[in-house]
Amino acid sequence: KAGVTQTPRYLIKTRGQQVTLSCSPISGHRSVSWYQQTPGQGLQFLFEYFSETQRNKGNFPGRFSGRQFSNSRSEMNVSTLELGDSALYLCASTTGLAAYNEQFFGPGTRLTVL
Amino acid sequence: KQEVTQIPAALSVPEGENLVLNCSFTDSAIYNLQWFRQDPGKGLTSLLLIQSSQREQTSGRLNASLDKSSGRSTLYIAASQPGDSATYLCAVRGISQGGSEKLVFGKGTKLTVNP
Repeated sequence: KAGVTQTPRYLIKTRGQQVTLSCSPISGHRSVSWYQQTPGQGLQFLFEYFSETQRNKGNFPGRFSGRQFSNSRSEMNVSTLELGDSALYLCASTTGLAAYNEQFFGPGTRLTVL
Repeated sequence: KQEVTQIPAALSVPEGENLVLNCSFTDSAIYNLQWFRQDPGKGLTSLLLIQSSQREQTSGRLNASLDKSSGRSTLYIAASQPGDSATYLCAVRGISQGGSEKLVFGKGTKLTVNP
């Protein structure tokens, strides 16, 4: 069974631009979560989607948004990029509601903002 | 607010040694705790998931324990190998205000196993 896939793997943008990251969960998984990882803050929760509905949201500004499609694939968007948005963005999927189940992570998208 | 702490931040051991990584959390109202490893520049690999009703889980040379009442978990690695070198992350899923069941991570322990 294929794992969680994320595209693109690497991305370089400039301040003020916007970016869209994509995540395809493991087949059969309906919950997708997104995390930001930086050296200073570690791993921080962005949001979680289940059956196309956002269930939880972390403490990030409104420039960070996401959505989930009917096939469980998810995208996250960051608008008006800032230097501090440079990070590894990780997507994780799980079978049902994330609260009870093991989460499986993708390889991440490395975003660099210049 | 749930906080997760991992001690030590870094650990260097000779090959073959048994070792213990520690994780503590401030709010015992959790659904489960999960241990991950992360290799440099890579995503997270799930090692073990312990539900709140469980005391321990084992997988190969790995054994994780959970003491929910004291807010502690340990990851025991037996007979360490150079391939075990990675950063090990502990994460707890609990109920925070508003019913948000987010996963809260520690900062990790960077393990180096020397041949």
